[in-house]
Amino acid sequence: GEDVEQSLFLSVREGDSSVINCTYTDSSSTYLYWYKQEPGAGLQLLTYIFSNMDMKQDQRLTVLLNKKDKHLSLRIADTQTGDSAIYFCAESMEGSYIPTFGRGTSLIVHP
Amino acid sequence: NAGVTQTPKFQVLKTGQSMTLQCAQDMNHNSMYWYRQDPGMGLRLIYYSASEGTTDKGEVPNGYNVSRLNKREFSLRLESAAPSQTSVYFCASSEDSSGNTIYFGEGSWLTVV
Repeated sequence: GEDVEQSLFLSVREGDSSVINCTYTDSSSTYLYWYKQEPGAGLQLLTYIFSNMDMKQDQRLTVLLNKKDKHLSLRIADTQTGDSAIYFCAESMEGSYIPTFGRGTSLIVHP
Repeated sequence: NAGVTQTPKFQVLKTGQSMTLQCAQDMNHNSMYWYRQDPGMGLRLIYYSASEGTTDKGEVPNGYNVSRLNKREFSLRLESAAPSQTSVYFCASSEDSSGNTIYFGEGSWLTVV
């Protein structure tokens, strides 16, 4: 099975909050990341969290980590049309620093 | 500061042709990577180079070769292109082996007919 799983699509109304979820399988994950990919572009690191943290907030972004359930989420407050993109969850493990990516969640923001 | 630069951005190849995707980074990073991205498949690692002079296979290395020419440059070669290699290819680099700051290029769209 996949190491990192995400739902493929999420549709939200402009101004609402978006929550993108991710589950991972390896309990030895050290870093967990969220990347954003806009159409025709490469991936841009949005934020990351160390596995010894529960939460990280950065302006409109909130990352929550539940280590027991191996669940990571990205909440975007006041979602804007410019937030429409594909969001990738990724993990890397101690001793193997290369991240493993999920398949990406396409976030569609409509008026 | 250009970051990670890939060339070409678009390429169409015939089955059996060869080509090299070029990648350069100007951030003095030690580690460089090549990924491919296919619809619904996310990113899959083809090859990586932890440091100048070393290269290692990733998840999907078959049909590809790489060269870490120097610290700045990491090229990906398709010796005999196949339609299954139609994909978007991303080069990336990171400062060190901690992996927490990977920077991506803009991507190279390759079609094999």
